[in-house]
Amino acid sequence: KAGVTQTPRYLIKTRGQQVTLSCSPISGHRSVSWYQQTPGQGLQFLFEYFSETQRNKGNFPGRFSGRQFSNSRSEMNVSTLELGDSALYLCASSLRTSGGRSYNEQFFGPGTRLTVL
Amino acid sequence: KQEVTQIPAALSVPEGENLVLNCSFTDSAIYNLQWFRQDPGKGLTSLLLIQSSQREQTSGRLNASLDKSSGRSTLYIAASQPGDSATYLCAVKNNNDMRFGAGTRLTVKP
Repeated sequence: KAGVTQTPRYLIKTRGQQVTLSCSPISGHRSVSWYQQTPGQGLQFLFEYFSETQRNKGNFPGRFSGRQFSNSRSEMNVSTLELGDSALYLCASSLRTSGGRSYNEQFFGPGTRLTVL
Repeated sequence: KQEVTQIPAALSVPEGENLVLNCSFTDSAIYNLQWFRQDPGKGLTSLLLIQSSQREQTSGRLNASLDKSSGRSTLYIAASQPGDSATYLCAVKNNNDMRFGAGTRLTVKP
């Protein structure tokens, strides 16, 4: 079974631009979560999607947004990029119980390395 | 607000040694706790998942325990190998999100 895939793997943008990152979950996984990893702040939760709906959201500004498609693939978008947005963006997928709670093991993709100049 | 702490921040051991990594969390209302390893510049590899109702999980040379009441988990690595060198992260899942510790950077010397 193929793992979580993320595209692109590397991205260089300039301040003020916007960027869209893509994540394809493991087949059969319906929940997709996004995380930002930086040397200073470590791994921080951005948001979680299930059934095309955002279920949870971390403490990030509105410039960070996402969506999920009917095939469970997800995209996240960052608008008006700032230097501090340079980070490794990780996507994780998991099964999710019918009750809507994510009890299950999370599997991570290789990440997208975003550099903002 | 859930806070996750990992001690030590870095650890260097000779090959063959058994070792313990520690993870503590402040809010015991968790769904599960997961241990990961991360190699430099790469994504996270899941090692073990412990549900809140479980006390421990084992996979090969790895054993993870969970004590919810005291807010602690340990990852035991037996007979360490140079290939075990990586950063080990613990993460706790609660109602709203998943919180990660800062990690323990492990170096196993041949």
